[in-house]
Amino acid sequence: EDQVTQSPEALRLQEGESSSLNCSYTVSGLRGLFWYRQDPGKGPEFLFTLYSAGEEKEKERLKATLTKKESFLHITAPKPEDSATYLCAVLDNAGNMLTFGGGTRLMVKP
Amino acid sequence: DGGITQSPKYLFRKEGQNVTLSCEQNLNHDAMYWYRQDPGQGLRLIYYSQIVNDFQKGDIAEGYSVSREKKESFPLTVTSAQKNPTAFYLCASSTPGTGQNEQFFGPGTRLTVL
Repeated sequence: EDQVTQSPEALRLQEGESSSLNCSYTVSGLRGLFWYRQDPGKGPEFLFTLYSAGEEKEKERLKATLTKKESFLHITAPKPEDSATYLCAVLDNAGNMLTFGGGTRLMVKP
Repeated sequence: DGGITQSPKYLFRKEGQNVTLSCEQNLNHDAMYWYRQDPGQGLRLIYYSQIVNDFQKGDIAEGYSVSREKKESFPLTVTSAQKNPTAFYLCASSTPGTGQNEQFFGPGTRLTVL
């Protein structure tokens, strides 16, 4: 059974204070690892897909990286508008189902 | 604009009642999914459908039912058998098997049982 664990559960940062969110996973065969952003009361917004160890993707202040056991979402010089819950998910071996982690709630204070 | 719509945004149900949540997409995606999200938690898969007239149970299908009569539509019925239905329900769609497996989500329906 695929499992995804995200840490920390919550993270408070000052504006401009860079940090990283962790997503550890165990899967029988990784078909893809996905990062989403979710604002309160809204549906998740797709950020990145990573397919193989060593892969990296960037978007504005966010950079996602992948190893064989975990993924990191690095946030460089965050702004208050980056405050949200960040969700990580893995695609099962058959390519049908996503298994989500519990999310990291990020709060960036001005 | 292409996208996924869910209705209603808020839904209140009395105990013992069945309710149906609507999900429509105009992205021409083959696959559609229903998830449940409880406060402070991640998403759990209820049902998914990869083609019309076919669907599969996810991790928490008990007390729910779905249909997929049209490619664009995937309604979810929360039955009276669902013991704790109060939650945020999210619908998603994707095009699996094309190399682009990202699921795109609708805005969600918040269901409250009174």
